[in-house]
Amino acid sequence: DQQVKQNSPSLSVQEGRISILNCDYTNSMFDYFLWYKKYPAEGPTFLISISSIKDKNEDGRFTVFLNKSAKHLSLHIVPSQPGDSAVYFCAAAPGSRLTFGEGTQLTVNP
Amino acid sequence: EAQVTQNPRYLITVTGKKLTVTCSQNMNHEYMSWYRQDPGLGLRQIYYSMNVEVTDKGDVPEGYKVSRKEKRNFPLILESPSPNQTSLYFCASSFTGQGARYGYTFGSGTRLTVV
Repeated sequence: DQQVKQNSPSLSVQEGRISILNCDYTNSMFDYFLWYKKYPAEGPTFLISISSIKDKNEDGRFTVFLNKSAKHLSLHIVPSQPGDSAVYFCAAAPGSRLTFGEGTQLTVNP
Repeated sequence: EAQVTQNPRYLITVTGKKLTVTCSQNMNHEYMSWYRQDPGLGLRQIYYSMNVEVTDKGDVPEGYKVSRKEKRNFPLILESPSPNQTSLYFCASSFTGQGARYGYTFGSGTRLTVV
């Protein structure tokens, strides 16, 4: 039972354009949602999080949007840069435990 | 430097030969966890520990053991490895109650191949 799903295994965008990564969840008990970025041969690194009481959180070029009624969150990267090319995981938590999605490979072309 | 250190980075072993993957963190985190990453399945939790001597099963605990005798160390033990345990393993840690808001710190990973 996959409680957190990322339906797009890959996404390709041009440098300078917007990247939108999507994530859906099923568990209404999740109260925090996070995005991680992972480069090859490295561990995932925390990018940004959002509480279930908010619908938007920004950090520089990264913005996470949460639509609780649709059980959907998205990560917007504007403008996209070649260094953003990585696998992005969304994750959701009740408390300390995180449940991760399958990941989306983002490729930003120069 | 604050970090989670896993060893070894790469390991090839044979079916049934017991092995241990070590994990150590220097941030005084209470919470530690092991994940495995498989293509198309993302990161799945194996075991986690809320503090010393407190461990619990995650989503895919079969075939694994853990121990938490010291706060900084959380080894993953495969008593009798099988080929379906071939995977990329990550250790992670955080302060209890803060992992959701500020994220975990992950190690660099251990790529295990069981032949």
